[in-house]
Amino acid sequence: DVKVTQSSRYLVKRTGEKVFLECVQDMDHENMFWYRQDPGLGLRLIYFSYDVKMKEKGDIPEGYSVSREKKERFSLILESASTNQTSMYLCASSPHRWGQGSYEQYFGPGTRLTVT
Amino acid sequence: GQQVMQIPQYQHVQEGEDFTTYCNSSTTLSNIQWYKQRPGGHPVFLIQLVKSGEVKKQKRLTFQFGEAKKNSSLHITATQTTDVGTYFCATTSGTYKYIFGTGTRLKVLA
Repeated sequence: DVKVTQSSRYLVKRTGEKVFLECVQDMDHENMFWYRQDPGLGLRLIYFSYDVKMKEKGDIPEGYSVSREKKERFSLILESASTNQTSMYLCASSPHRWGQGSYEQYFGPGTRLTVT
Repeated sequence: GQQVMQIPQYQHVQEGEDFTTYCNSSTTLSNIQWYKQRPGGHPVFLIQLVKSGEVKKQKRLTFQFGEAKKNSSLHITATQTTDVGTYFCATTSGTYKYIFGTGTRLKVLA
């Protein structure tokens, strides 16, 4: 079974703090993604990575950065947390290079971040 | 841009009744994935369809991809309380990006 783990299930941070969310997958997947999920807005892509040290902006990258130093690990960084970044953050991985296989994604359990 | 509309938004059924959710697009889809998210949980991949008219079954779940590849459906026969959750469809858009449907929240009344 594919396993995607995230560093925290719940996190409470203060406005202005730097926040690190970590994601690890154990199936040697090529691609990793960070989403946020908000009621009424669905899943929105923040950043993705298709290779080590490679990163691409998604639909809502402002206020976030990412790091992928190892294939299995993809970190999301909130440089200076703000209250509008309170959300559920979901990491996902998918196995194949784009166009070379199926496109299923495997999601981690999520981190519910509250910024006060 | 490409959009995927999912209906209905909510569905309440009595246990034992059938349930269907639909994903519709105005443009041709290259593929469709279906996910289930339990309350308080995370999306779990169920299946992917890629061929026109494709039908796949997983126990009580039947997935279909339309002949024109513009719509897809997930049908659950004889729902159980364990089927409760939100069902999402998703499709790929461009490179390394996905479009997710808004989801159908299913409640099953015992």
